[in-house]
Amino acid sequence: GAVVSQHPSRVICKSGTSVKIECRSLDFQATTMFWYRQFPKKSLMLMATSNEGSKATYEQGVEKDKFLINHASLTLSTLTVTSAHPEDSSFYICSANGGQRDTEAFFGQGTRLTVV
Amino acid sequence: TQLLEQSPQFLSIQEGENLTVYCNSSSVFSSLQWYRQEPGEGPVLLVTVVTGGEVKKLKRLTFQFGDARKDSSLHITAAQPGDTGLYLCAGDRSSASKIIFGSGTRLSIRP
Repeated sequence: GAVVSQHPSRVICKSGTSVKIECRSLDFQATTMFWYRQFPKKSLMLMATSNEGSKATYEQGVEKDKFLINHASLTLSTLTVTSAHPEDSSFYICSANGGQRDTEAFFGQGTRLTVV
Repeated sequence: TQLLEQSPQFLSIQEGENLTVYCNSSSVFSSLQWYRQEPGEGPVLLVTVVTGGEVKKLKRLTFQFGDARKDSSLHITAAQPGDTGLYLCAGDRSSASKIIFGSGTRLSIRP
């Protein structure tokens, strides 16, 4: 299957600082990447759809100025959590469509963000 | 409101037993996937079903897509402790061009 790499896997930051998370498709080109947030023992909640070369499409209730998404190339999307607060602490996961069918999503390893 | 509802939410059974997890929606999906996720890791794709009524088998796991493409089921035969994890169904609504996840089923298999 296709490979998606997410970095960093864990990050601890102070309140008020910004954190950037990278999502790379290593062996295929992804015109669309997705960013999810997952709370403990819960399912994945779609935050936004990242489109290469254009603005991201955010889900209802997700602050676009808080969660900045950039999809500068066909293999890289970044999520920046700006002015982080403890309530932003969560597991963030990216995915990219690839493989034999565009509907097969391959996931990064996830990033555990802790804001102190 | 969850577009894809999974049931049960939690399931703890003895090794060797059989189980079925359901994924239901009022919407039609062009395809549906099942994933398994372990703590601290991203979900791993198990199977994709595309055709209404389709049945796919992956060793002891049997996946079925409903005839109307609104629901799916995952059946595990002779469960083993290694099957423990969070099982997620996810659907693609081609009109929306994004994959939406179900509420998840947390499965625990006791030795």
